[in-house]
Amino acid sequence: DSGVTQTPKHLITATGQRVTLRCSPRSGDLSVYWYQQSLDQGLQFLIQYYNGEERAKGNILERFSAQQFPDLHSELNLSSLELGDSALYFCASRSGNTIYFGEGSWLTVV
Amino acid sequence: TQLLEQSPQFLSIQEGENLTVYCNSSSVFSSLQWYRQEPGEGPVLLVTVVTGGEVKKLKRLTFQFGDARKDSSLHITAAQPGDTGLYLCAGGTNFGNEKLTFGTGTRLTIIP
Repeated sequence: DSGVTQTPKHLITATGQRVTLRCSPRSGDLSVYWYQQSLDQGLQFLIQYYNGEERAKGNILERFSAQQFPDLHSELNLSSLELGDSALYFCASRSGNTIYFGEGSWLTVV
Repeated sequence: TQLLEQSPQFLSIQEGENLTVYCNSSSVFSSLQWYRQEPGEGPVLLVTVVTGGEVKKLKRLTFQFGDARKDSSLHITAAQPGDTGLYLCAGGTNFGNEKLTFGTGTRLTIIP
């Protein structure tokens, strides 16, 4: 158990819909990262927040957005979903120089 | 765009054999990390190397960072079924920074 909690674990939704993925970082960790893992693209960095502020941005689509709340939990919002958005979405938090990943949220768009 | 190519992509060997996985890039990284990911779980950090030429050992696993900090290798001695998993290398451009570039992955299967 990494200490990073993600919900939901599995989600099936239709194209065009919007979903929200939730992440609770390890206790005391201020940084939250979101990654997307798909078969064809591998593990891709999406975005990072530190203590409520956006710190770094990766290959995140404009249809996707994220935020980190005062209690440090984070949400990744995916809108106008397309079939190609089907993937495993990971949240991670950093403690020192170690990044801990959650178990992921498996999104299937049909 | 920084790319990290891993080879082989798939590897299936008998228990007790040795193996090496490679992680190559044309870009220089300030740090290189290796992760193992098992089905239904997120990647778990195995090691971080930061100095060119650095070698780190973790029981039967030996990690090396290339002198030019563009490549790395993972060597497993006397592989065991518990070593089965997806191995990912990841490069960082600022040590401790979080914007990691992950490799393409090596799926390792150890046959009992």
